[in-house]
Amino acid sequence: ETGVTQTPRHLVMGMTNKKSLKCEQHLGHNAMYWYKQSAKKPLELMFVYNFKEQTENNSVPSRFSPECPNSSHLFLHLHTLQPEDSALYLCASSQDRAGDYEQYFGPGTRLTVT
Amino acid sequence: LAKTTQPISMDSYEGQEVNITCSHNNIATNDYITWYQQFPSQGPRFIIQGYKTKVTNEVASLFIPADRKSSTLSLPRVSLSDTAVYYCLVGDRAGNMLTFGGGTRLMVKP
Repeated sequence: ETGVTQTPRHLVMGMTNKKSLKCEQHLGHNAMYWYKQSAKKPLELMFVYNFKEQTENNSVPSRFSPECPNSSHLFLHLHTLQPEDSALYLCASSQDRAGDYEQYFGPGTRLTVT
Repeated sequence: LAKTTQPISMDSYEGQEVNITCSHNNIATNDYITWYQQFPSQGPRFIIQGYKTKVTNEVASLFIPADRKSSTLSLPRVSLSDTAVYYCLVGDRAGNMLTFGGGTRLMVKP
């Protein structure tokens, strides 16, 4: 138990569906992250939020839309996804948005797009 | 952007010391090096972090040469439970351009 929870743990959706992934951290951290992990690529940083403000968007397609209503919650809204978007989506948090702070990862959401 | 390169896989036996090296030729002055461990169906877990020279904690050591273009994670006396994927991460103090390596799959055999 890392203090970072993600729901759902598994999600199957069609290409025309709209769904959301949820992440919650109970660590009092200020920074939160979304990563994508697929079989053929290393961990890819998607979005970074610090104090609820988005500070980084690594050229992620607009069919992925993040939302950070407060420092403890992070959402990833999904719509009109493609089969190649099937992957493990990991959420993480850290004390601050800095490369020398340890990141705490959630267990991930296994997404399958059919 | 500090691109990182790691061996894809390594095998070892229980009780041996394992050294996993990560190359990061373009590392910048402000970049830190962090290593994570990941088990199946779990998110990565922090192991150790360093900036230069040597860092040691209760589970591992991290060796960083003077030019900082590589780093070596050292796991003393591995056990079967150390079978996992190990990632190195390079990132600057501002948290920009966090770049994970491709991961090294370590298999520890009896």
